[in-house]
Amino acid sequence: NAGVTQTPKFQVLKTGQSMTLQCAQDMNHEYMSWYRQDPGMGLRLIHYSVGAGITDQGEVPNGYNVSRSTTEDFPLRLLSAAPSQTSVYFCASKLAGVRYGELFFGEGSRLTVL
Amino acid sequence: KNQVEQSPQSLIILEGKNCTLQCNYTVSPFSNLRWYKQDTGRGPVSLTIMTFSENTKSNGRYTATLDADTKQSSLHITASQLSDSASYICVVSATGAGSYQLTFGKGTKLSVIP
Repeated sequence: NAGVTQTPKFQVLKTGQSMTLQCAQDMNHEYMSWYRQDPGMGLRLIHYSVGAGITDQGEVPNGYNVSRSTTEDFPLRLLSAAPSQTSVYFCASKLAGVRYGELFFGEGSRLTVL
Repeated sequence: KNQVEQSPQSLIILEGKNCTLQCNYTVSPFSNLRWYKQDTGRGPVSLTIMTFSENTKSNGRYTATLDADTKQSSLHITASQLSDSASYICVVSATGAGSYQLTFGKGTKLSVIP
């Protein structure tokens, strides 16, 4: 059981470049989300989805796009990378409608924007 | 605004000793509280999940307590091991429409030394 898989693990971008962080889960979880983790700060929600075709903004959505065409995949797109987007990104998933369901995290994608 | 405060920020203990980490929250209305362990360079992994009616929950050498009246939780680690070195994150969930949006603490970084 692979759980939540993120790719790539490491990425270096130049300012203005675009890229997509991939997230896939094999647990048939309806809920998927993206967080960023910065030093000295808690995990902050970027975007989330409660099912295919449904997405919503979290706390820090600016500069990021998401889509959910399948239950399994939830890619995060950086449209025009900025140094402020240098961070570690985590994808997480859980069963929707399960009130106390556990949130499962991927291993993270470390992004550096020069 | 929902907030989760953890203390201490960091802690160094000798192998074999016990320690207690604290979490205070102002999330309302409260649904559940989770403690996660995050090893360096890895994604967070759930240790315990506690609901309003639960005072104590154990997972091996980890014991979490919850006082919903004072809005405080603690994570007690018994007979620490080198592998306990990690960041421990307190996460609180609200009920209702906000149940998909979790409030994360900044974490306590624990170092266990020989």
